[in-house]
Amino acid sequence: QSALTQPPSASGSPGQSVTISCTGTSSDVGGYNSVSWYQQHPGKAPKLTIYEDTKRPSGVPDRFSGSKSGNTASLTVSGLQAEDEADYYCTSYAGSNNLVFGGGTKLTVL
Amino acid sequence: QVQLQESGPGLVKPSETLSLTCGVSGYSINSAYFWGWIRQPPGKGLEWIGNIYHTGATYYNPSLKSRVTISVDTSKNQLSLKLSSVTAADTAVYYCARRNYVSYYFDYWGQGTLVTVSS
Repeated sequence: QSALTQPPSASGSPGQSVTISCTGTSSDVGGYNSVSWYQQHPGKAPKLTIYEDTKRPSGVPDRFSGSKSGNTASLTVSGLQAEDEADYYCTSYAGSNNLVFGGGTKLTVL
Repeated sequence: QVQLQESGPGLVKPSETLSLTCGVSGYSINSAYFWGWIRQPPGKGLEWIGNIYHTGATYYNPSLKSRVTISVDTSKNQLSLKLSSVTAADTAVYYCARRNYVSYYFDYWGQGTLVTVSS
């Protein structure tokens, strides 16, 4: 299994929207409704931000949304705020009880 | 509130076995959830190591399968990780986390523990 592909970096100004992509294959991202996204601030544990492609856990602001088209999933952060600056990781079920992570994207709020 | 806490040696010698424990509080490990280990080398991304169900059923990352053993002790409400024949490439922060049974996301994470492989 190969890691999912994410851009290494993304950026936006406060109030703007930014979208981070996560590209896999029909054997993982495109094959299951199982993409989840995690936000990780420096020195902290990852925090679940989106699960099952588009669902948002309780307590996560509705500025965060997930979508998927074919083998590419996306995380959109609307109305960027300073505290959104973090690393973001996607993950997907890859069949045979395997999970695969993306390489991570560093989001900078300008 | 579910809480997870990793513990174990912070330094392991090359070729030896890394052993970590994850204590779970606020929730019974003997429930309909998987419990997993994920690691993160310094400055790098996350890597799934494996999952275990309270029945003992285990699932491992194929790239680590030959060296990994995950076990659960329901009487102590904890899970354990053993990684054998370690090298410097196994230096990482190791996290334990709870995984939804029917889906594949981790909803609660421990704070992580840094394990350095060095002589």
